[in-house]
Order: sequence, then C-alpha cells, then structure tokens
Amino acid sequence: AQSVAQPEDQVNVAEGNPLTVKCTYSVSGNPYLFWYVQYPNRGLQFLLKYITGDNLVKGSYGFEAEFNKSQTSFHLKKPSALVSDSALYFCAVSPGGSGYNKLIFGAGTRLAVHP
Amino acid sequence: GAVVSQHPSWVICKSGTSVKIECRSLDFQATTMFWYRQFPKQSLMLMATSNEGSKATYEQGVEKDKFLINHASLTLSTLTVTSAHPEDSSFYICSAVLPGGPDGELFFGEGSRLTVL
Repeated sequence: AQSVAQPEDQVNVAEGNPLTVKCTYSVSGNPYLFWYVQYPNRGLQFLLKYITGDNLVKGSYGFEAEFNKSQTSFHLKKPSALVSDSALYFCAVSPGGSGYNKLIFGAGTRLAVHP
Repeated sequence: GAVVSQHPSWVICKSGTSVKIECRSLDFQATTMFWYRQFPKQSLMLMATSNEGSKATYEQGVEKDKFLINHASLTLSTLTVTSAHPEDSSFYICSAVLPGGPDGELFFGEGSRLTVL
C-alpha cells in the first residue's frame, strides 16, 4: 500500500535555530513529493515539491527539502526558524502517472517555534 | 493567487439530517476538485475526485450514497452528507486543480467542520 509517514507529531524549535520536519514514503515508481503548510483556520498552502533533478529543492518562506531516494525520505528544513513558522506541516506524495494531483498525505507535524 | 472558498466553515446538525458543504473556486475555473476528510491529529483522507459535468470518482471504502458529490459548474462542487450520524463528525476539506497549473500544486479551501449531535 502507498503511504506517507511523518514520525513526529510535534517539533519544538527555538527561534533562530535550524529546523527539520521528517517525512518518509512508500510509493512505487517515481513519485512527486510535496510539502504543504496549514495555518490555524486556513486551508493548506503549497510550500515546495520535488519532481526530478537536484535533490535539494527550495520553496516558499525560506524552506527547503532534500529528496533521498535510497532512504525514501523527503525531510523539510529551514536554516533559521521564525515564530511565524509555527503551523501544521503535511508531507504528501503523488504516485505519478495520470494522477499527479491525487495526493496521499502524511498525518502532519505540528511545528512550534518558541521566542 | 488562486482562491478556493468553502461554506459553511462549521455546521452543527441533528442526527438523521442532511448537510451540504460548498466548495467554490473564486477566481478560476476548476474542472477537477477533490474532497478530503480529516480526523483530529490524523491525515487528510481523500474521499473522492469531483469532475465537472460527470460523476465523482470515490475512493475505496467511501460510501457514494452517504457522501453525495455534485460538480455542476466549473466553479462549484458540493458535498452532501446524507442522513448524518455522529460518526460523520469531522473536518471536511476541498481542493481544486488550477487548469494549466503545475502538477500537484493544489489550492485548498479553509475546511468545514461538521458536528452531528
């Protein structure tokens, strides 16, 4: 079965410190990988995606993610966290083929950045 | 950017009644929309793919007669929870595909929280 795992329910980081939100996946073929962010009382917003090419992809708000095929991981990172980064982060994967928009989401990781 | 709006944001209903949730693309036409269900502290579960002018495609395990989806126009998809029961209480989220937009970059509504008493 195709799945996405986000092993941490919550990540706590001090402002200014680097942050990592982990994601691993189990999908056949060559999937597309995504990160979305959900702020309170708002819909999910696209952050970044990996399709092919450079394993390190850069996205919105200074976030980046590293694709590791051997470890089937796509961890989200940011060099210096801001309090405003506090939100719920979802990793998602698209199996590809004809269903690129049909996303499978992880359970989400709540990021809390403390002043 | 593309905006998707859901209405109502929250709704409380009695068991046995039906509830309709609307998903609108405000500044673009969406031939394809998706409906998800999100349980507390759990992932978004894809319920169905809504295609304008045709029947929705439901994911395995989702009851078609329970969750009626209608995509009658290019800017509106509706989800009707029929004969709602307390176990249907959940957060329902829709997303829309921007035609010509990058693959996988969906635009999401704010979500609708349903509570069935």
